[in-house]
Amino acid sequence: NAGVTQTPKFQVLKTGQSMTLQCAQDMNHNSMYWYRQDPGMGLRLIYYSASEGTTDKGEVPNGYNVSRLNKREFSLRLESAAPSQTSVYFCASSERRKGGTDTQYFGPGTRLTVL
Amino acid sequence: QKEVEQNSGPLSVPEGAIASLNCTYSDRGSQSFFWYRQYSGKSPELIMFIYSNGDKEDGRFTAQLNKASQYVSLLIRDSQPSDSATYLCAVGGGFKTIFGAGTRLFVKA
Repeated sequence: NAGVTQTPKFQVLKTGQSMTLQCAQDMNHNSMYWYRQDPGMGLRLIYYSASEGTTDKGEVPNGYNVSRLNKREFSLRLESAAPSQTSVYFCASSERRKGGTDTQYFGPGTRLTVL
Repeated sequence: QKEVEQNSGPLSVPEGAIASLNCTYSDRGSQSFFWYRQYSGKSPELIMFIYSNGDKEDGRFTAQLNKASQYVSLLIRDSQPSDSATYLCAVGGGFKTIFGAGTRLFVKA
Protein backbone atom coordinates (compact mmCIF):
# COMPACT_ATOMS: atom_id res chain seq x y z
CA ASN A 1 0.00 0.00 0.00
CA ALA A 2 1.75 3.15 -1.23
CA GLY A 3 -0.96 5.48 0.12
CA VAL A 4 -0.85 8.81 -1.72
CA THR A 5 1.90 9.33 -4.28
CA GLN A 6 2.89 12.54 -6.09
CA THR A 7 5.14 13.34 -9.03
CA PRO A 8 7.41 15.15 -9.48
CA LYS A 9 9.08 15.73 -6.10
CA PHE A 10 10.84 18.90 -7.25
CA GLN A 11 10.29 21.25 -10.19
CA VAL A 12 11.74 24.57 -11.34
CA LEU A 13 9.76 26.56 -13.91
CA LYS A 14 10.22 29.86 -15.66
CA THR A 15 7.43 32.42 -15.52
CA GLY A 16 4.79 31.59 -18.12
CA GLN A 17 5.62 27.89 -18.43
CA SER A 18 2.97 25.27 -17.80
CA MET A 19 3.11 21.98 -15.95
CA THR A 20 0.91 19.29 -14.42
CA LEU A 21 1.37 17.82 -10.96
CA GLN A 22 0.24 14.23 -10.70
CA CYS A 23 -1.35 12.52 -7.70
CA ALA A 24 -2.59 8.97 -7.18
CA GLN A 25 -4.01 7.10 -4.19
CA ASP A 26 -4.50 3.37 -3.65
CA MET A 27 -6.74 3.55 -0.57
CA ASN A 28 -10.00 3.54 -2.61
CA HIS A 29 -10.93 6.94 -1.17
CA ASN A 30 -13.68 8.96 -2.81
CA SER A 31 -12.37 12.43 -1.97
CA MET A 32 -9.11 14.02 -3.10
CA TYR A 33 -7.59 17.45 -2.51
CA TRP A 34 -4.83 19.78 -3.60
CA TYR A 35 -3.24 22.13 -1.05
CA ARG A 36 -0.39 24.59 -1.11
CA GLN A 37 1.79 25.32 1.91
CA ASP A 38 3.72 28.57 2.24
CA PRO A 39 6.04 29.60 5.10
CA GLY A 40 4.15 30.93 8.12
CA MET A 41 0.78 29.94 6.67
CA GLY A 42 -1.42 26.94 7.12
CA LEU A 43 -2.23 24.56 4.33
CA ARG A 44 -4.61 26.27 1.91
CA LEU A 45 -7.06 24.33 -0.23
CA ILE A 46 -6.74 24.94 -3.97
CA TYR A 47 -9.27 22.46 -5.38
CA TYR A 48 -10.98 19.32 -4.23
CA SER A 49 -12.91 16.44 -5.71
CA ALA A 50 -15.60 14.94 -3.50
CA SER A 51 -16.03 11.98 -5.83
CA GLU A 52 -15.03 10.76 -9.27
CA GLY A 53 -16.39 13.13 -11.91
CA THR A 54 -16.73 16.18 -9.66
CA THR A 55 -14.35 19.02 -8.82
CA ASP A 56 -14.83 22.22 -6.82
CA LYS A 57 -12.83 25.32 -6.01
CA GLY A 58 -11.22 25.76 -2.65
CA GLU A 59 -9.83 28.86 -0.97
CA VAL A 60 -7.12 29.75 -3.56
CA PRO A 61 -8.07 28.36 -7.02
CA ASN A 62 -6.88 31.23 -9.25
CA GLY A 63 -4.18 30.19 -11.71
CA TYR A 64 -4.89 26.46 -11.35
CA ASN A 65 -7.02 23.80 -13.00
CA VAL A 66 -7.66 20.21 -11.97
CA SER A 67 -8.76 16.94 -13.49
CA ARG A 68 -10.16 13.93 -11.65
CA LEU A 69 -9.04 11.34 -14.17
CA ASN A 70 -10.57 8.38 -12.33
CA LYS A 71 -11.11 7.35 -8.72
CA ARG A 72 -7.37 6.96 -8.13
CA GLU A 73 -5.91 10.02 -9.88
CA PHE A 74 -6.28 13.77 -9.40
CA SER A 75 -4.00 16.16 -11.29
CA LEU A 76 -3.26 19.86 -10.81
CA ARG A 77 -2.30 22.04 -13.78
CA LEU A 78 -0.58 25.41 -13.82
CA GLU A 79 -1.30 26.91 -17.25
CA SER A 80 1.02 29.93 -16.98
CA ALA A 81 3.22 29.76 -13.90
CA ALA A 82 3.88 32.90 -11.85
CA PRO A 83 6.47 33.49 -9.08
CA SER A 84 3.56 33.73 -6.60
CA GLN A 85 2.93 30.04 -7.25
CA THR A 86 6.28 29.08 -5.74
CA SER A 87 5.21 26.78 -2.94
CA VAL A 88 5.03 23.23 -1.69
CA TYR A 89 2.02 21.39 -3.09
CA PHE A 90 0.39 18.51 -1.26
CA CYS A 91 -2.21 16.11 -2.54
CA ALA A 92 -4.47 14.39 -0.01
CA SER A 93 -7.30 11.88 0.00
CA SER A 94 -10.00 10.99 2.50
CA GLU A 95 -12.98 8.78 3.12
CA ARG A 96 -15.81 9.49 5.52
CA ARG A 97 -16.32 6.49 7.77
CA LYS A 98 -19.75 5.55 9.20
CA GLY A 99 -19.96 7.19 12.60
CA GLY A 100 -16.49 8.56 12.10
CA THR A 101 -14.86 11.60 10.67
CA ASP A 102 -13.41 12.63 7.33
CA THR A 103 -9.67 12.27 7.89
CA GLN A 104 -7.18 13.35 5.26
CA TYR A 105 -3.98 11.50 4.34
CA PHE A 106 -1.23 13.37 2.54
CA GLY A 107 1.22 12.62 -0.24
CA PRO A 108 4.94 13.49 0.03
CA GLY A 109 4.59 16.86 -1.68
CA THR A 110 5.99 18.66 -4.73
CA ARG A 111 8.38 21.55 -4.19
CA LEU A 112 7.81 24.03 -7.01
CA THR A 113 9.93 27.09 -7.73
CA VAL A 114 8.87 29.60 -10.38
CA LEU A 115 11.63 31.97 -11.52
CA GLN B 1 -13.36 34.13 7.64
CA LYS B 2 -12.97 30.92 9.62
CA GLU B 3 -9.67 30.82 11.48
CA VAL B 4 -7.47 28.39 13.36
CA GLU B 5 -4.82 30.00 15.53
CA GLN B 6 -1.65 28.44 16.91
CA ASN B 7 1.41 29.91 18.57
CA SER B 8 4.21 29.54 16.02
CA GLY B 9 6.82 28.77 18.68
CA PRO B 10 9.37 27.41 18.87
CA LEU B 11 8.28 25.61 22.01
CA SER B 12 11.35 24.14 23.65
CA VAL B 13 11.05 21.38 26.28
CA PRO B 14 13.65 19.05 27.84
CA GLU B 15 13.59 15.35 27.05
CA GLY B 16 11.12 13.50 29.27
CA ALA B 17 8.95 16.55 29.94
CA ILE B 18 5.34 17.13 28.89
CA ALA B 19 4.88 19.30 25.81
CA SER B 20 1.61 21.22 25.63
CA LEU B 21 0.44 22.53 22.25
CA ASN B 22 -2.61 24.75 21.97
CA CYS B 23 -5.05 25.77 19.26
CA THR B 24 -8.11 28.02 19.13
CA TYR B 25 -10.70 28.14 16.36
CA SER B 26 -13.36 30.61 15.32
CA ASP B 27 -16.16 28.44 13.87
CA ARG B 28 -18.37 27.47 16.79
CA GLY B 29 -20.13 24.88 14.61
CA SER B 30 -16.96 22.82 14.03
CA GLN B 31 -17.37 19.14 14.79
CA SER B 32 -14.04 17.45 14.01
CA PHE B 33 -10.55 18.32 15.19
CA PHE B 34 -7.22 16.90 14.11
CA TRP B 35 -3.57 17.02 15.08
CA TYR B 36 -0.93 16.41 12.42
CA ARG B 37 2.84 16.19 12.85
CA GLN B 38 5.08 17.51 10.10
CA TYR B 39 8.83 16.92 10.07
CA SER B 40 10.93 19.43 8.17
CA GLY B 41 10.67 18.81 4.44
CA LYS B 42 8.03 16.09 4.87
CA SER B 43 4.28 15.86 4.57
CA PRO B 44 1.77 16.13 7.43
CA GLU B 45 0.97 12.83 9.12
CA LEU B 46 -2.09 12.31 11.28
CA ILE B 47 -1.47 11.86 15.00
CA MET B 48 -5.05 11.75 16.19
CA PHE B 49 -8.50 13.24 15.85
CA ILE B 50 -11.15 14.14 18.43
CA TYR B 51 -14.78 15.18 18.12
CA SER B 52 -16.19 14.89 21.65
CA ASN B 53 -15.54 17.27 24.53
CA GLY B 54 -12.96 15.95 26.95
CA ASP B 55 -9.76 13.98 26.60
CA LYS B 56 -8.70 11.29 24.13
CA GLU B 57 -5.51 9.36 24.78
CA ASP B 58 -3.35 7.42 22.32
CA GLY B 59 -0.04 6.24 23.71
CA ARG B 60 2.03 9.26 24.75
CA PHE B 61 -0.43 11.66 23.09
CA THR B 62 -3.55 13.17 24.63
CA ALA B 63 -5.90 15.46 22.75
CA GLN B 64 -8.16 17.73 24.77
CA LEU B 65 -11.25 19.46 23.38
CA ASN B 66 -13.34 22.22 24.93
CA LYS B 67 -16.02 23.31 22.46
CA ALA B 68 -17.44 25.97 24.80
CA SER B 69 -14.07 27.72 24.86
CA GLN B 70 -13.31 26.82 21.20
CA TYR B 71 -10.02 25.34 22.29
CA VAL B 72 -8.19 22.14 21.43
CA SER B 73 -4.82 21.03 22.76
CA LEU B 74 -2.30 18.25 22.36
CA LEU B 75 -0.20 16.93 25.23
CA ILE B 76 2.90 14.86 24.53
CA ARG B 77 4.11 12.96 27.58
CA ASP B 78 7.72 11.82 28.00
CA SER B 79 8.81 14.01 25.08
CA GLN B 80 11.61 12.60 22.94
CA PRO B 81 14.03 14.36 20.56
CA SER B 82 12.23 12.47 17.76
CA ASP B 83 9.08 14.47 18.63
CA SER B 84 10.81 17.64 17.39
CA ALA B 85 8.60 18.75 14.50
CA THR B 86 5.87 21.21 13.58
CA TYR B 87 2.42 20.29 14.88
CA LEU B 88 -0.57 21.36 12.82
CA CYS B 89 -4.01 21.79 14.30
CA ALA B 90 -6.86 21.25 11.82
CA VAL B 91 -10.56 21.86 12.27
CA GLY B 92 -13.56 20.73 10.25
CA GLY B 93 -12.85 17.58 8.26
CA GLY B 94 -12.90 16.87 4.52
CA PHE B 95 -13.06 19.88 2.20
CA LYS B 96 -14.14 22.04 5.16
CA THR B 97 -10.82 21.52 6.94
CA ILE B 98 -9.02 24.69 8.05
CA PHE B 99 -5.39 24.26 9.08
CA GLY B 100 -3.45 26.33 11.56
CA ALA B 101 0.04 27.50 10.60
CA GLY B 102 1.57 25.11 13.14
CA THR B 103 3.67 25.20 16.30
CA ARG B 104 7.33 24.22 16.09
CA LEU B 105 8.36 21.92 18.94
CA PHE B 106 11.97 21.35 19.90
CA VAL B 107 12.79 18.62 22.43
CA LYS B 108 16.26 19.03 23.93
CA ALA B 109 18.24 15.86 24.69
